Amino acid sequence: DVKVTQSSRYLVKRTGEKVFLECVQDMDHENMFWYRQDPGLGLRLIYFSYDVKMKEKGDIPEGYSVSREKKERFSLILESASTNQTSMYLCASSGPGTRRGYTFGSGTRLTVV
Amino acid sequence: AQKVTQAQTEISVVEKEDVTLDCVYETRDTTYYLFWYKQPPSGELVFLIRRNSFDEQNEISGRYSWNFQKSTSSFNFTITASQVVDSAVYFCALSEGDDFHSSASKIIFGSGTRLSIRP
Repeated sequence: DVKVTQSSRYLVKRTGEKVFLECVQDMDHENMFWYRQDPGLGLRLIYFSYDVKMKEKGDIPEGYSVSREKKERFSLILESASTNQTSMYLCASSGPGTRRGYTFGSGTRLTVV
Repeated sequence: AQKVTQAQTEISVVEKEDVTLDCVYETRDTTYYLFWYKQPPSGELVFLIRRNSFDEQNEISGRYSWNFQKSTSSFNFTITASQVVDSAVYFCALSEGDDFHSSASKIIFGSGTRLSIRP
């Protein structure tokens, strides 16, 4: 079964820490995405990548960066975590002709204290 | 600009009732795709259906049915004879353009509707 795997299910970090959220997909998909999910706001796109070493800003990129050194891995980086970045983070991937839209990971619930 | 509106924040019904989740979208493209995803308590979004803008046929899959109306820019989702296992957050979503294009096709999500089915 095809999968998108996020390295951590729950994460607690301190304000000011540098945080790495990892996402790996095994479907050879070109496109990968990072969303954050907050109550009442739905899913908001942070960054996406349509190829290795390529990245594009989504709707809310401030305070985040990304890295895509290999096709299967897409990392989200919080340079200096803040409490307003406490959220659920969802990674997804897609490829040409994907009928199901995105395949999602299970999410990482990040709490910044 | 593209936008998806799910006006119902939360819905609670008793088991076996029928329930409809509303979705209204905005887009300037003539080619687009609409989706519904289910997010159970486990957190992972599960694909339910994809519809392209040229296919206005309603679709039924078991207890689930979808009503796509371009005239009102709506893509509503009905669960017939609801069950407790249907309790989840449901997201409607929109992607513009041809999904066979080589560049990333972004999907824009609505804010979600939390559905609770009471026994």
